[in-house]
Amino acid sequence: QSAVTQPASVSGSPGQSITISCTGTSNDVGGYKYVSWYQQHPGKAPKLIISEVSDRPSGVSSRFSGSKSGNTASLTISGLQADDEADYYCSSFTSSTTWVFGGGTKLTVL
Amino acid sequence: EGQLVESGGGLVQPGGSLRLSCAASGLTLSRHWLTWVRQAPGKGLEWVASIKQDGSEIYYVDSVKGRFTISRDNVDNSLSLQMNSLRGDDTAVYYCATGASSLSVWGQGTTVTVSS
Repeated sequence: QSAVTQPASVSGSPGQSITISCTGTSNDVGGYKYVSWYQQHPGKAPKLIISEVSDRPSGVSSRFSGSKSGNTASLTISGLQADDEADYYCSSFTSSTTWVFGGGTKLTVL
Repeated sequence: EGQLVESGGGLVQPGGSLRLSCAASGLTLSRHWLTWVRQAPGKGLEWVASIKQDGSEIYYVDSVKGRFTISRDNVDNSLSLQMNSLRGDDTAVYYCATGASSLSVWGQGTTVTVSS
């Protein structure tokens, strides 16, 4: 089944912006609008922060935004805050009618 | 917003079976696709299985096909995962969630440990 690639780690200082990439193929990320992003703090369940590439669920800060170009989706967090330090996962629908998560990215707020 | 609560995890020997349950409160599960996701210790999230509102469509990750069965009871407002022929690499925290492409509501997870 599909493999979707994320950087293992990214970091930024408070107030800065960072972007996390999620690279797949035309059979998953590039082929569908069904790309979502999740935030997971240690020991907690994941939380949906972006759905369908760029939609932000109610209650999610506007500092989180999503986009896609070709086979790569991106999550941008602006105005970094200490509480943004967490693991971030993308997921995508695939042409096999399955879903796949990226490997996850650990965000460190310096 | 409603809540999901998983149960049924525990320690099981390789080759054994376990049945996980997911109960909802403040949520009508019949309106949603439902999904199981797992996370091995220190690892990332892995999609396991999803089931459509009426149970007419069911999908599994290759590694569990033929061993795991996802099912739902819309009257009881619950979701289940029957896990057979368990292996060491099935050791993980198992989460249930509403949705499929976008997992909106998650449970707190239940831990499955496969070890002799």
